[in-house]
Amino acid sequence: QQQVKQSPQSLIVQKGGISIINCAYENTAFDYFPWYQQFPGKGPALLIAIRPDVSEKKEGRFTISFNKSAKQFSLHIMDSQPGDSATYFCAFRSGNTPLVFGKGTRLSVIA
Amino acid sequence: EAGVAQSPRYKIIEKRQSVAFWCNPISGHATLYWYQQILGQGPKLLIQFQNNGVVDDSQLPKDRFSAERLKGVDSTLKIQPAKLEDSAVYLCASINTGTSGEQYFGPGTRLTVT
Repeated sequence: QQQVKQSPQSLIVQKGGISIINCAYENTAFDYFPWYQQFPGKGPALLIAIRPDVSEKKEGRFTISFNKSAKQFSLHIMDSQPGDSATYFCAFRSGNTPLVFGKGTRLSVIA
Repeated sequence: EAGVAQSPRYKIIEKRQSVAFWCNPISGHATLYWYQQILGQGPKLLIQFQNNGVVDDSQLPKDRFSAERLKGVDSTLKIQPAKLEDSAVYLCASINTGTSGEQYFGPGTRLTVT
């Protein structure tokens, strides 16, 4: 059951550049849209999250842009750093149901 | 605030053997999840507990997987007998549904079945 489509699968960005990861969803009942960051050997950690009543949320170098009509949202990492190299997962939830995760994007930031 | 604890961190077993994983969620978190994360994929839900009751186990392969949360705190996930395709990271997560709804993950247990 493919409820979430995340792209790209992998991404290489130069240090200082902008990393952009996209997710598309099908279920219009989703009302919570987090992005998780996972380093090797660690569990996923919440990076930033948005609810559908806003179109954009910014926390430091990380921004979520949300397009409710297109059922898409994206993560932008400004001034990407080597320490941002990790796997990023978008996720969705409706009410108190469990999170549904995308397949992940492996980001590599090179100097 | 202490995070979600899991043990062991790594386990290697032969196929057809049994294995158990343990999780201690964040104190006060009523909801606990077990996820399976196969290499290169996102976490996939296995089972959800609310206190000591099962809310959703539709994705749990019940012929070989079992889980319990007897006192509404710690939880164990068991596989018996293990298959090669069970090789994955098993993640435990908890959430306090009364607050922001942020879900916290443990570090996971990496299982290798040979």
